[in-house]
Amino acid sequence: QSALTQPASVSGSPGQSITISCTGTSSDVGSYNYVSWYRQHPGKAPKVMIYDVSNRPSGVSNRFSGSKSGNTASLTISGLQAEDEADYYCTSYTTSGTWVFGGGTKLTVL
Amino acid sequence: QVQLQESGPGLVKPSQTLSLTCTVSGGSISSGNYYWSWIRQPAGEGLEWIGHIYTSGSPNYNPSLKSRVTILIDTSKNQFSLKLSSVTAADTAVYYCARRLYGSGNFDYWGQGTLVTVSS
Repeated sequence: QSALTQPASVSGSPGQSITISCTGTSSDVGSYNYVSWYRQHPGKAPKVMIYDVSNRPSGVSNRFSGSKSGNTASLTISGLQAEDEADYYCTSYTTSGTWVFGGGTKLTVL
Repeated sequence: QVQLQESGPGLVKPSQTLSLTCTVSGGSISSGNYYWSWIRQPAGEGLEWIGHIYTSGSPNYNPSLKSRVTILIDTSKNQFSLKLSSVTAADTAVYYCARRLYGSGNFDYWGQGTLVTVSS
């Protein structure tokens, strides 16, 4: 299975909005609504920010939202804050019954 | 509050078997509908799903690692484990254990991660 494709980096100024894409295939992202997004600060474990395409866990800011169209899922962060600077990973269930992650996107808050 | 904690040797020699245990606290590993997973991350790289096990089912593994991986669950100890055989330097990584709710893509609880270095 091949990793999902994410941009290596994105950046934005405080208060702005950014979107991170996650492109897979009809064997993963395109087949299921089991796409989730994780934020990882340096040296820390990943934390779920969005699951099942667009669901936000309790305690996660409503500045985070997710969507999906075809084989591409997206994470949007509005009202960027300094604490949002981190690596973001998407993951998806696959038709093989396995999970595949994206390569990760480094978000820089300017 | 559910907590997961990885444990095991931090240094493994090439060709040997890497063995890690994840201890679950704050809840029973056999209650509820959860998959118990192992995920790894080489330094400076992305996350890689290794495999998972369900309390009452067979494990499932990443095809790229399937020939070398074994994941087991011990409900009496509230633990699940990872064994990766014939390791090489490419297996050097931080290894995480995580919980995922059945029927969802939400890996909601993660361990802090443990660094395993493969070196002679």
